[in-house]
Amino acid sequence: AQKVTQAQTEISVVEKEDVTLDCVYETRDTTYYLFWYKQPPSGELVFLIRRNSFDEQNEISGRYSWNFQKSTSSFNFTITASQVVDSAVYFCALRGSNYKLTFGKGTLLTVNP
Amino acid sequence: GAVVSQHPSRVICKSGTSVKIECRSLDFQATTMFWYRQFPKQSLMLMATSNEGSKATYEQGVEKDKFLINHASLTLSTLTVTSAHPEDSSFYICSASLAGGEQFFGPGTRLTVL
Repeated sequence: AQKVTQAQTEISVVEKEDVTLDCVYETRDTTYYLFWYKQPPSGELVFLIRRNSFDEQNEISGRYSWNFQKSTSSFNFTITASQVVDSAVYFCALRGSNYKLTFGKGTLLTVNP
Repeated sequence: GAVVSQHPSRVICKSGTSVKIECRSLDFQATTMFWYRQFPKQSLMLMATSNEGSKATYEQGVEKDKFLINHASLTLSTLTVTSAHPEDSSFYICSASLAGGEQFFGPGTRLTVL
């Protein structure tokens, strides 16, 4: 069975602070994909990143960066110099061999001005 | 590319009526579509997987007679909530994918049953 744990239910920061959202996963598959999505108040899911299990290189995209550590089954997401527009719910998800996505419970990020 | 639409975006209905939600892949042919349900402040839960031309596969605990799914073409899947009740009020999200490929999500449909 697949499982994704986002232990942080809510995080509140002040603008320009850096913030890291944690994601820990469980799977028996050797090949799998990890995702991060952003869900603003409008509800539409915004795709942020996909990482396959064989690619442990960290990735940076503007103010966003991701740290994939297979040894600890973690795929953490850091926002540098946060902005009010970053306020949203962020979901980590796992797709295994059955092609189904398993979502974590999400982390509500509030960035205050 | 890879745009998925849902219609309606918001619907309010009376208890006991049926509601149909459409999910369309606008610029690609989706062999598989997924339907998710999201309660307020909760995660997305997969309800069912539908492949074009075949019966949907429902997740455990999802009533297939309550949530009818039809995937009649490679660009359209519909979810019908039959005899809706207030507890069916939720945010329903679909996604569409090519075989074994990326899932592209629709904008969601907010259903309120009075």
